[in-house]
Amino acid sequence: TQLLEQSPQFLSIQEGENLTVYCNSSSVFSSLQWYRQEPGEGPVLLVTVVTGGEVKKLKRLTFQFGDARKDSSLHITAAQPGDTGLYLCAGARGGSNYKLTFGKGTLLTVNP
Amino acid sequence: ETGVTQSPTHLIKTRGQQVTLRCSSQSGHNTVSWYQQALGQGPQFIFQYYREEENGRGNFPPRFSGLQFPNYSSELNVNALELDDSALYLCASSSDRAHYGYTFGSGTRLTVV
Repeated sequence: TQLLEQSPQFLSIQEGENLTVYCNSSSVFSSLQWYRQEPGEGPVLLVTVVTGGEVKKLKRLTFQFGDARKDSSLHITAAQPGDTGLYLCAGARGGSNYKLTFGKGTLLTVNP
Repeated sequence: ETGVTQSPTHLIKTRGQQVTLRCSSQSGHNTVSWYQQALGQGPQFIFQYYREEENGRGNFPPRFSGLQFPNYSSELNVNALELDDSALYLCASSSDRAHYGYTFGSGTRLTVV
């Protein structure tokens, strides 16, 4: 079983549309991170959230950490073709914060 | 400030052979972690090195081993390669063990034939 479930797995939208990607778990995380990965490259850190209920904004991207620190969402407003990529959520757990557990990712395609 | 550098970028090996992958961590980072990313999957944790000591290990067999050097660069060694070892191997460095996020390299694409 996957510790972190991401949905949807694939998403294809038109430029200008809004979207939300979800990351869910039955486990509590001490921190949750979102990364974007492009083909042939490593993941690039977008944001880290550590407090339950925390909301962070990065330009058109809004990240939220659930109150119970078990889930997170990423909302993109007015998507652009440059937002295309694989979005990965990853959690660090308090007892073993030496490693990140990743979800399978959401592959987003934004069409012009 | 330089990022994380991995070499080589691509590699083709035959089943049963051994391979060494290399990583130079970002300046100021003392923790290096290695991840394996199979096609269509998220990265899976292999192990982490902190100040030259293995700090934690994922569910990978002993034929996966590593080293960290005094300058915080690192190597991943895989013995007796299997077809299923074909994947993108990612090195990540941080100044804190995992909590605030990693800087990843671009990876080494290993193909075992």
